[in-house]
Amino acid sequence: ETGVTQSPTHLIKTRGQQVTLRCSSQSGHNTVSWYQQALGQGPQFIFQYYREEENGRGNFPPRFSGLQFPNYSSELNVNALELDDSALYLCASSSGLATTGTYEQYFGPGTRLTVT
Amino acid sequence: AQTVTQSQPEMSVQEAETVTLSCTYDTSESDYYLFWYKQPPSRQMILVIRQEAYKQQNATENRFSVNFQKAAKSFSLKISDSQLGDAAMYFCAYRSSGSARQLTFGSGTQLTVLP
Repeated sequence: ETGVTQSPTHLIKTRGQQVTLRCSSQSGHNTVSWYQQALGQGPQFIFQYYREEENGRGNFPPRFSGLQFPNYSSELNVNALELDDSALYLCASSSGLATTGTYEQYFGPGTRLTVT
Repeated sequence: AQTVTQSQPEMSVQEAETVTLSCTYDTSESDYYLFWYKQPPSRQMILVIRQEAYKQQNATENRFSVNFQKAAKSFSLKISDSQLGDAAMYFCAYRSSGSARQLTFGSGTQLTVLP
């Protein structure tokens, strides 16, 4: 069973640029969630995708956008980067979208984004 | 909106001893899930233990157990026989029982295990 993978591992961008982060979900999982983890803080929910549709969004501006593909991999795009966007970006996958069951989220190793 | 509070930014424990990490949460929902995640320096978030709010019995996973007090909205993690490999940042997290899967995390507790 292949776990959640993310690319790239590290990334350095300049303020105002755009960035795309990628995530491959664990085999058999069709739901992907993205989180932003600033240094020394807990992860903050950005948004979630289920079967290629956005299914929930946290308190993040529209310049944070995403995609999910038919193979359930996902991208996080951030436009007009700001210094405060510097963080660890975590992707998590889970199976199904039912109201029952714990459906644990399995996390990838994250992408460390630095905006200068 | 739900909130999760971890009031201990740092904790330390001697190897082989027991330590308890605290977590409180605020919600108006009656059905939900609670989790403890471990994040070592490798950054990979690893699920340690989970608790369903409708279950009165406290969850246990080997050396890890929880004390779930639903009325008090408290969810502490006890680590017994602490090992050097337990050193990490520990996050308490809440998830609604609804269809959305987002987790609400606390700010974390950095656990140091002393040899």
